[in-house]
Amino acid sequence: ETGVTQSPTHLIKTRGQQVTLRCSSQSGHNTVSWYQQALGQGPQFIFQYYREEENGRGNFPPRFSGLQFPNYSSELNVNALELDDSALYLCASSPLGQTNSHSYEQYFGPGTRLTVT
Amino acid sequence: GENVEQHPSTLSVQEGDSAVIKCTYSDSASNYFPWYKQELGKRPQLIIDIRSNVGEKKDQRIAVTLNKTAKHFSLHITETQPEDSAVYFCAASAGGSYIPTFGRGTSLIVHP
Repeated sequence: ETGVTQSPTHLIKTRGQQVTLRCSSQSGHNTVSWYQQALGQGPQFIFQYYREEENGRGNFPPRFSGLQFPNYSSELNVNALELDDSALYLCASSPLGQTNSHSYEQYFGPGTRLTVT
Repeated sequence: GENVEQHPSTLSVQEGDSAVIKCTYSDSASNYFPWYKQELGKRPQLIIDIRSNVGEKKDQRIAVTLNKTAKHFSLHITETQPEDSAVYFCAASAGGSYIPTFGRGTSLIVHP
């Protein structure tokens, strides 16, 4: 079983630039959720993709966007970067909708550390 | 939306002692409550979870209790070890999408 992977591991961008983060879900998982984790805080939900459709969105502005591919991997795009966007970005995958007791368990990737200067 | 409060923010214990972390939630529709452990610089890892149709669940030294009436749930770690030192997050989610709202975390320090 392959775990959740993310790329890149670290990224430094300048305010106003755009960034794309990538996530490969765990084998057999059809759902990917993205979280922003600021230092010393819990993960904050950005959005979730289920079978290539957005399945829920947190309180983040439209410049945060994403998509999911047929192989269930996903991208998070952030436009017009701001200094406050500096954080650890985590994705988590789960086998939502599958008929087993583990369908709601989320497994996190290692994260991408984004620094905006 | 859901609001999850977690206490304490820091917990320091001696090796072998028990540790208890408490969380409250606001949405009575929440029905799934996972706990995650995050070591420094690493990803959050699911350590135990409980659903609203169960009051208590145990896995070796870790247990979680849920009080739906009071809308609070707790993580209990017995016989703590230095490797238990980490930040622990509780979360609550409702509905079919299972999108958890996380608490702010508890930094557990186990002194040898």
